[in-house]
Amino acid sequence: DQQVKQNSPSLSVQEGRISILNCDYTNSMFDYFLWYKKYPAEGPTFLISISSIKDKNEDGRFTVFLNKSAKHLSLHIVPSQPGDSAVYFCAARILYGGSQGNLIFGKGTKLSVKP
Amino acid sequence: DTEVTQTPKHLVMGMTNKKSLKCEQHMGHRAMYWYKQKAKKPPELMFVYSYEKLSINESVPSRFSPECPNSSLLNLHLHALQPEDSALYLCASSQDTGAYGYTFGSGTRLTVV
Repeated sequence: DQQVKQNSPSLSVQEGRISILNCDYTNSMFDYFLWYKKYPAEGPTFLISISSIKDKNEDGRFTVFLNKSAKHLSLHIVPSQPGDSAVYFCAARILYGGSQGNLIFGKGTKLSVKP
Repeated sequence: DTEVTQTPKHLVMGMTNKKSLKCEQHMGHRAMYWYKQKAKKPPELMFVYSYEKLSINESVPSRFSPECPNSSLLNLHLHALQPEDSALYLCASSQDTGAYGYTFGSGTRLTVV
């Protein structure tokens, strides 16, 4: 059973517009949520994270929103640029024994930003 | 140095071969991870080392054997693999708990023939 779900396998957006990537989760024990970006033939690159006690975190063009009651988070990219075209993974962290974390990844959403 | 370096980038091995994947970081991270990623699937955790001790083994078959010789190095020894083990193997590291993100290597693309 998937604990982290990204239901949109792909998203196409025009350059300059907003990209919104969505993620749903089922486990209430997750304490941090993270977004990663992945280009082909490279490892995932960390973008931004949010604690489960916050509802918004912003870093430049990237903002993550968390709706804990709905178990839903989203990544907003404004304005979108062609270089943002990549696969975006949502990940959630769960702690083992209070000190060691494991990331559970969603299946990813392929974002294409068209010039 | 803010990178995780994995070698080799590509590896083709037969089912009777023994090979090793290597991972190195010099960021002072004390947690290191092996993930396996099949095509069109998310990365799945295999092993976690915390302070050079194996802390998590996600029921990985014994044909995969991890080793952490020191705080900067992580190896994955491979023996008698099956074709279904072909995948991208990702190494990652993090500060103690990884709340501010893991740093991933570029991965080793493994093909078992």
